[in-house]
Amino acid sequence: AQKVTQAQTEISVVEKEDVTLDCVYETRDTTYYLFWYKQPPSGELVFLIRRNSFDEQNEISGRYSWNFQKSTSSFNFTITASQVVDSAVYFCALTHILTGGGNKLTFGTGTQLKVEL
Amino acid sequence: KAGVTQTPRYLIKTRGQQVTLSCSPISGHRSVSWYQQTPGQGLQFLFEYFSETQRNKGNFPGRFSGRQFSNSRSEMNVSTLELGDSALYLCASSGQGGSTDTQYFGPGTRLTVL
Repeated sequence: AQKVTQAQTEISVVEKEDVTLDCVYETRDTTYYLFWYKQPPSGELVFLIRRNSFDEQNEISGRYSWNFQKSTSSFNFTITASQVVDSAVYFCALTHILTGGGNKLTFGTGTQLKVEL
Repeated sequence: KAGVTQTPRYLIKTRGQQVTLSCSPISGHRSVSWYQQTPGQGLQFLFEYFSETQRNKGNFPGRFSGRQFSNSRSEMNVSTLELGDSALYLCASSGQGGSTDTQYFGPGTRLTVL
């Protein structure tokens, strides 16, 4: 069975602070993909990044960076110099590749990030 | 490219009624998945449609069903509504239905059952 754990339920920071959102996953699959999605109050899940199980290179995109460590089954997300617009719920997710084709996402419980002025 | 669209955005129904939700995927995408989001259970996979066929199904009762049309648009139906069906229903589309495709989500339909 697959599982994604986001232990941080809510994080509050002041604007311009750096913040790291933790994600730990469990899977028996050898091939899998990890994702981060952002859910603003409007409800839509916005895709941020995808990482496959064979690529442990860290990635940076503007103020966002991701650290994938297979040895600790973690895929953490850091926002540098946070802004009020970063306030949202962030979900980490893991694919399960289905034998009949397609995939389904297993989501963590989400981390509510509040960035205040 | 337009994103995934879902209609209606909000619905209020009473127990025992049925409801149909609609999802239009990103142009060219052929796979549509549905998820239910509730405060208690989080985001849970309902089912996935590809080429007008339900290809994968989550652990939900038979009251939850869906279909997909030849233009890849999908509908989800919930019959005999229960209070616990109140949730945000999210639709996601992904390219050609490959097992590693990224899923892109719509804004969701918020269903309230009274």
